Amino acid sequence: GAVVSQHPSWVICKSGTSVKIECRSLDFQATTMFWYRQFPKQSLMLMATSNEGSKATYEQGVEKDKFLINHASLTLSTLTVTSAHPEDSSFYICSAGSDKEDGYTFGSGTRLTVV
Amino acid sequence: GNSVTQMEGPVTLSEEAFLTINCTYTATGYPSLFWYVQYPGEGLQLLLKATKADDKGSNKGFEATYRKETTSFHLEKGSVQVSDSAVYFCALRYSYGNNRLAFGKGNQVVVIP
Repeated sequence: GAVVSQHPSWVICKSGTSVKIECRSLDFQATTMFWYRQFPKQSLMLMATSNEGSKATYEQGVEKDKFLINHASLTLSTLTVTSAHPEDSSFYICSAGSDKEDGYTFGSGTRLTVV
Repeated sequence: GNSVTQMEGPVTLSEEAFLTINCTYTATGYPSLFWYVQYPGEGLQLLLKATKADDKGSNKGFEATYRKETTSFHLEKGSVQVSDSAVYFCALRYSYGNNRLAFGKGNQVVVIP
């Protein structure tokens, strides 16, 4: 079945630095990728939607300059958290789908801790 | 707008008990409906899905039927195991636009031996 690889699975960084999270579709071409943020014991909050070769569409309230999304190919999307602060600490999850997929396949998530 | 509502609170039950998690939705058009499961520290895994009214999705002993008349997609399992302990999310996929998913808040299920 469809597999999405997300890494790193966890990362600790210092406040003010940037962190890049990768999301790869391993056995299919993902025309659309989604990035979510999940707070403890809460549901997923959609941050942005990216389509290959075009700019990401950010949800209201999500800072596009802080959360940079690049979807340069049909198998790779990246989320860069720039100038990270402790309040950016969270669990980030990507999901990917193709025109042939009815549902979406999720990555295993990245636990970001900013100290 | 499109939204998904799940019953409040965690669900704690004994092994081999019957599990029901309620899910209702509000949507324009004809969305596809999904149940996802999340184990601790992991991403979401698709559990089952239904794409049109009266469809029944099933997997690993779990079932859910797409009920258009009651706008519901309740998840059921006849005999749960400890390994079913996880968080379960109901979701719908928009039938237009960018086809994104709208999630319910999720339900923590704890199965006690």
